Amino acid sequence: GAVVSQHPSRVICKSGTSVKIECRSLDFQATTMFWYRQFPKQSLMLMATSNEGSKATYEQGVEKDKFLINHASLTLSTLTVTSAHPEDSSFYICSATKRSGAAYEQYFGPGTRLTVT
Amino acid sequence: AQSVTQLGSHVSVSEGALVLLRCNYSSSVPPYLFWYVQYPNQGLQLLLKYTSAATLVKGINGFEAEFKKSETSFHLTKPSAHMSDAAEYFCAVSDKGRNQGGKLIFGQGTELSVKP
Repeated sequence: GAVVSQHPSRVICKSGTSVKIECRSLDFQATTMFWYRQFPKQSLMLMATSNEGSKATYEQGVEKDKFLINHASLTLSTLTVTSAHPEDSSFYICSATKRSGAAYEQYFGPGTRLTVT
Repeated sequence: AQSVTQLGSHVSVSEGALVLLRCNYSSSVPPYLFWYVQYPNQGLQLLLKYTSAATLVKGINGFEAEFKKSETSFHLTKPSAHMSDAAEYFCAVSDKGRNQGGKLIFGQGTELSVKP
């Protein structure tokens, strides 16, 4: 199989604090992980592409100093929301890329619901 | 550049009826297409994918999709809807086509409701 986990599944934090979300590929090595953000009733918006051992590539409009991404190993990427504000409240989903023969597939984590009060 | 358009943000069908969710794509390279399902407060689950092996792709839960290059479409169908099919469905294309491990470009999503 190809299982991706996220921790925590839900988190509530106070405005101004930082929150770290972990994304792990449990049974495969993922050279690339992606971080998405999803607002209610909307599609997934790609925030950044995370490659093991290198700096993340952020999509246009995403503040790299606010959303810190670290991809320290082939099975773990973390997203840290720094100085969180209520507008950062959202559903954050990660995915990990697994090579399947000559092709690649993305496997998604279950998501993390962040609420900033 | 790649893009995906899903026609209809909300589709409602009766239990046992045909499900048809529409997806049109635009791609500058041979496309690598996906359909995902999302249940409330959960991540995405892959229903099926097109990788050029066959134009009619069968997925999980009785869903299938047909790749039509001439129409640039990849519509999702299921012959008979079940109450458990009620969910949000996303069509996606890889930004680098096949075999590249590129990022996914998602459509806007279609919410499927199933009436008893």
